[in-house]
Amino acid sequence: ETGVTQSPTHLIKTRGQQVTLRCSSQSGHNTVSWYQQALGQGPQFIFQYYREEENGRGNFPPRFSGLQFPNYSSELNVNALELDDSALYLCASSPEWDREQETQYFGPGTRLLVL
Amino acid sequence: DQQVKQNSPSLSVQEGRISILNCDYTNSMFDYFLWYKKYPAEGPTFLISISSIKDKNEDGRFTVFLNKSAKHLSLHIVPSQPGDSAVYFCAASSSSFKTIFGAGTRLFVKA
Repeated sequence: ETGVTQSPTHLIKTRGQQVTLRCSSQSGHNTVSWYQQALGQGPQFIFQYYREEENGRGNFPPRFSGLQFPNYSSELNVNALELDDSALYLCASSPEWDREQETQYFGPGTRLLVL
Repeated sequence: DQQVKQNSPSLSVQEGRISILNCDYTNSMFDYFLWYKKYPAEGPTFLISISSIKDKNEDGRFTVFLNKSAKHLSLHIVPSQPGDSAVYFCAASSSSFKTIFGAGTRLFVKA
């Protein structure tokens, strides 16, 4: 069973640019969530996708957008990058949209640096 | 507004002793609480969880206690092992909120 994978592992961008981060869910998982983890903080929820539909969004501006594909892989897109977007971006998948199965399986993350 | 707080940034414990990691929350709507462990260069790994209808859940060396009246939960690790050295995140969720994480506590277990 393959775990959650993310690409790239590291990325450097400049202010104003756009970035796309990718995530492959664990096999059989149809729910994927994205988190931003700034240095010294816990992961902050960005949004969640369930069966290709957005299923909840955290307190992030519209320039953070996402997609989930039929194979349940996912992308996080960030437009007009700002310095404060520098962080570790984590993707997590879970097997079903079920309140009793909130356990999430995290990927290793993509570390983004905005200069 | 931090709804989930881990007030101790770090904790150091001797091998074989008990590690107690604490977490406080402010929103009584949370109904599910989780602990995740994170090693450097890896994503968080689920450790143990507890539903709000329970006050204790145990899994091997790990026990989570929930005190709803105090809006407090704790993770006990006994006996602590050097391999337990990691950052531990407390998290809470409800039907209205997605999972909200605390800032984490870095545990050092000394051999």
